[in-house]
Amino acid sequence: AQKVTQAQTEISVVEKEDVTLDCVYETRDTTYYLFWYKQPPSGELVFLIRRNSFDEQNEISGRYSWNFQKSTSSFNFTITASQVVDSAVYFCALILMDSSYKLIFGSGTRLLVRP
Amino acid sequence: DAEITQSPRHKITETGRQVTLACHQTWNHNNMFWYRQDLGHGLRLIHYSYGVHDTNKGEVSDGYSVSRSNTEDLPLTLESAASSQTSVYFCASSKRQDYGYTFGSGTRLTVV
Repeated sequence: AQKVTQAQTEISVVEKEDVTLDCVYETRDTTYYLFWYKQPPSGELVFLIRRNSFDEQNEISGRYSWNFQKSTSSFNFTITASQVVDSAVYFCALILMDSSYKLIFGSGTRLLVRP
Repeated sequence: DAEITQSPRHKITETGRQVTLACHQTWNHNNMFWYRQDLGHGLRLIHYSYGVHDTNKGEVSDGYSVSRSNTEDLPLTLESAASSQTSVYFCASSKRQDYGYTFGSGTRLTVV
């Protein structure tokens, strides 16, 4: 069975600190995609990134970076120099490239960035 | 611009009543999904559809039903609302797995 685990329920940091959100996934399939979504206080789900299982290159987008390691089944998300606007719930998710289109979510990590 | 809309945004209903939440997308996506979001559980799949007249149960489908009579709409019906169904409901659509999902803005449902 497939599963996504976000062990950090809530993280609180002071503005300008770096913070890493952990994501560990389980699947026996070799072909899959991983995603991160952000849910700000307004409630909508905002797509941040997708990564396929054959691409282990790390990615950086501004203050955001993602570290994908198949050896540890992890897809961690780091925010550098955090800002108050980064306060949100962040979800990691997994989808298999089979006939199923089901997106499997972790339970989310609530990030609070204090001024 | 294509979009996915949910209505209503907020609803309060009484225990035992039938409630229908609407989801309409103009992306022309075949795949549509309903999730509920609860604290500590993330988003859990209720029902999904891969095309017109196709519907499938997700992991938390008890007490819910969907129908798909056209590509654009996947209404979610709570047959007899229960307090345990108080939640935020998200509709989503997808063209392909690698594209991920496009989500609606959510419906906050309170059952009293």
